[in-house]
Amino acid sequence: GQQVMQIPQYQHVQEGEDFTTYCNSSTTLSNIQWYKQRPGGHPVFLIQLVKSGEVKKQKRLTFQFGEAKKNSSLHITATQTTDVGTYFCAGPGGNTPLVFGKGTRLSVIA
Amino acid sequence: AAGVIQSPRHLIKEKRETATLKCYPIPRHDTVYWYQQGPGQDPQFLISFYEKMQSDKGSIPDRFSAQQFSDYHSELNMSSLELGDSALYFCASSLGALSTDTQYFGPGTRLTVL
Repeated sequence: GQQVMQIPQYQHVQEGEDFTTYCNSSTTLSNIQWYKQRPGGHPVFLIQLVKSGEVKKQKRLTFQFGEAKKNSSLHITATQTTDVGTYFCAGPGGNTPLVFGKGTRLSVIA
Repeated sequence: AAGVIQSPRHLIKEKRETATLKCYPIPRHDTVYWYQQGPGQDPQFLISFYEKMQSDKGSIPDRFSAQQFSDYHSELNMSSLELGDSALYFCASSLGALSTDTQYFGPGTRLTVL
């Protein structure tokens, strides 16, 4: 079935450094979504990408959807301690509305 | 703005007992999803309902059942609980059941099976 691979699994950065997480799908996706889950919290929707090659920005966060609609990335510029959490990509998967990647757990060292 | 409400927030049960988790979607949302998240894992889709009808089914064990009621709230019924059922259970709701319809997650119910 549909699989969404996400790397890296963990990322430790110094505050102020940049961070990127990558997501790859085994099949073409109609859309890809990104969620953030703080420790002890619930997934919070960040953004949805639909178009091939789409790039969206939210302040320090930049989201990209690949030309083939099989990969995506989330880049955070100048990380802050408030960015700590696990970032999940997710895409539709057959009879599953959303298939989540394994997530990238971001730690930010002040 | 109103969010998804889940109850209870924490639940402790013994093996072989039953549990019922409740989910109240955001007002006017017609679709409810249930997810299970183990420690350090990604959310795994269990089941979803659109307009009170089951719409998709994922990795939900046969021991579990769910339904969506006329007021759109949903309940996940879990029987013959096993230690491996210990997890966070999230409910999410959306307006519409398309994959492009944003899912809003509730705070979750933490189930511990002893």
